[in-house]
Amino acid sequence: GESVGLHLPTLSVQEGDNSIINCAYSNSASDYFIWYKQESGKGPQFIIDIRSNMDKRQGQRVTVLLNKTVKHLSLQIAATQPGDSAVYFCAENAGGTSYGKLTFGQGTILTVHP
Amino acid sequence: EAGVVQSPRYKIIEKKQPVAFWCNPISGHNTLYWYRQNLGQGPELLIRYENEEAVDDSQLPKDRFSAERLKGVDSTLKIQPAELGDSAVYLCASSVPGQGKGQETQYFGPGTRLLVL
Repeated sequence: GESVGLHLPTLSVQEGDNSIINCAYSNSASDYFIWYKQESGKGPQFIIDIRSNMDKRQGQRVTVLLNKTVKHLSLQIAATQPGDSAVYFCAENAGGTSYGKLTFGQGTILTVHP
Repeated sequence: EAGVVQSPRYKIIEKKQPVAFWCNPISGHNTLYWYRQNLGQGPELLIRYENEEAVDDSQLPKDRFSAERLKGVDSTLKIQPAELGDSAVYLCASSVPGQGKGQETQYFGPGTRLLVL
């Protein structure tokens, strides 16, 4: 029922630690993946993306890893800060006739303690 | 550069009443999306526009939901009549063509929080 959606995975870390947020996707045809950060009361904010012809992509303090064999995506945040506290969503795009339609994962709540 | 603008930010209505949400995308973004986000879940696409054309409205409940983007810029999403289950956050996003189809980065607005009583 509706209550299932409220039980988001949670990750609690200390400030300065590295964080790893995981996401499993289901569509083997997906060729584009994005990580979004959503703070309370705001819309999702783009963090980093990766195309299916890549395994790894790095940004500022963030790294995304893609394992197509097991359909797994991860977001690594280095030196996590309190401002990183938010809900993190992975999203996939299946391409083809579904291009432009992002399918979002369940979301993970990241809490960073000072 | 201004981001995606949405209004109102909050709306409380009684069931069976109509409601409308407005979105102004990022300047130059020809693709516009409306999403619905239920509490504790990720956004779900309702409709996607390429300029003024709705190219994917397969997820839009057409019995009560309608949308328009008459001049290919601003867009309005309407619900009439609203039901209790429509309580959610309605998000607008926009994008420009990327390196490949389906690889456009979508930028989201702050959303409109709708509560139907």
